[in-house]
Amino acid sequence: TQLLEQSPQFLSIQEGENLTVYCNSSSVFSSLQWYRQEPGEGPVLLVTVVTGGEVKKLKRLTFQFGDARKDSSLHITAAQPGDTGLYLCAGGRMDSNYQLIWGAGTKLIIKP
Amino acid sequence: DVKVTQSSRYLVKRTGEKVFLECVQDMDHENMFWYRQDPGLGLRLIYFSYDVKMKEKGDIPEGYSVSREKKERFSLILESASTNQTSMYLCASSLWGGPYEQYFGPGTRLTVT
Repeated sequence: TQLLEQSPQFLSIQEGENLTVYCNSSSVFSSLQWYRQEPGEGPVLLVTVVTGGEVKKLKRLTFQFGDARKDSSLHITAAQPGDTGLYLCAGGRMDSNYQLIWGAGTKLIIKP
Repeated sequence: DVKVTQSSRYLVKRTGEKVFLECVQDMDHENMFWYRQDPGLGLRLIYFSYDVKMKEKGDIPEGYSVSREKKERFSLILESASTNQTSMYLCASSLWGGPYEQYFGPGTRLTVT
């Protein structure tokens, strides 16, 4: 069974601080996605990384896919209250054309 | 703009009732999914469909069934609702083949009393 472990589960920091969220597995994924979910809403796709070692930037967010395509990280620089939300990682299964393996999520609170 | 809509944002049903949750997508996606989301458990796949009238069980199909009569529409049915089915239900869609990007509806918060 493929698992995707996300850490930390919960993070509360002050505005302006930096943070990193991790997504780890012993399995190889065909791609890795990060989503952000606000309370009472569905997850919204932030980024997809496909190539081992790939780094993508989205304003103050930096996403990295591990060289072996087993892990990923999300780094936020100078966090803002608007970054508050639940961050979910999801890996594409190698044996499926459509199924994702989901992490349990990191609940992030940025205090003004 | 891609769009996935769900028939209700909030729903309150009684134990034993039959419950229908409907999802519609306007992106011509082949794949559609139903998940439930509970605190600390993440997203758990109930059923998915990769084509009209085609369906496959996910990780937690017990107590649920689905219907996909048209490409854009995917329904989740709770045959006899129970209190342990109180949850947030999320519908998603994606294109066939990689890279698996899923687009979600706003969710239905179902409470079974």
